[in-house]
Amino acid sequence: EAQVTQNPRYLITVTGKKLTVTCSQNMNHEYMSWYRQDPGLGLRQIYYSMNVEVTDKGDVPEGYKVSRKEKRNFPLILESPSPNQTSLYFCASSLLGAGEQYFGPGTRLTVT
Amino acid sequence: AQKVTQAQTEISVVEKEDVTLDCVYETRDTTYYLFWYKQPPSGELVFLIRRNSFDEQNEISGRYSWNFQKSTSSFNFTITASQVVDSAVYFCALQTASQGGSEKLVFGKGTKLTVNP
Repeated sequence: EAQVTQNPRYLITVTGKKLTVTCSQNMNHEYMSWYRQDPGLGLRQIYYSMNVEVTDKGDVPEGYKVSRKEKRNFPLILESPSPNQTSLYFCASSLLGAGEQYFGPGTRLTVT
Repeated sequence: AQKVTQAQTEISVVEKEDVTLDCVYETRDTTYYLFWYKQPPSGELVFLIRRNSFDEQNEISGRYSWNFQKSTSSFNFTITASQVVDSAVYFCALQTASQGGSEKLVFGKGTKLTVNP
């Protein structure tokens, strides 16, 4: 089954404790992206990747890191999480130029 | 800059009523895609439709229909004979080719639809 998976689905952590949210797709997509969703703000892009070892900032990259060492994986790293990073995070993937992005199920992160 | 406006924050209807969700977009690009996604209470994002800027034909899929009008930069979504299962947050999104190849989706803030029995 074609899908984008994210782990964990739910995470409660404390300020400053490094964490990684994993994202994996099995569709051989070149493009992968991270979005965060906040009430009243819709979804905003954090980082994206056009292919292996090619990443770039989206609209709200502060406080986040990413890496793309393999085509299928695109982890989101929070080196020192803060309460303002409490949010619902979505990973997405697509073929370049194909338009439709496939979204993962979301990761609900709470930073206390 | 690209922008998507969903002016209706929340809509509440009674089952079987028709409801239209508005979406207005801004872009200077001539080539772009418009999307609608549904986010049910369970939280996942469900793709509903993609429409490219060169195809202004309206589309119907069961109880769902979409009206794309370039003249008014609108891409409205109508649910006919609404059902309780239609209760969700609906997002309109825009993707253009001029964003440095980022394939970024620019989302509206969403419209929360509640369908009451």
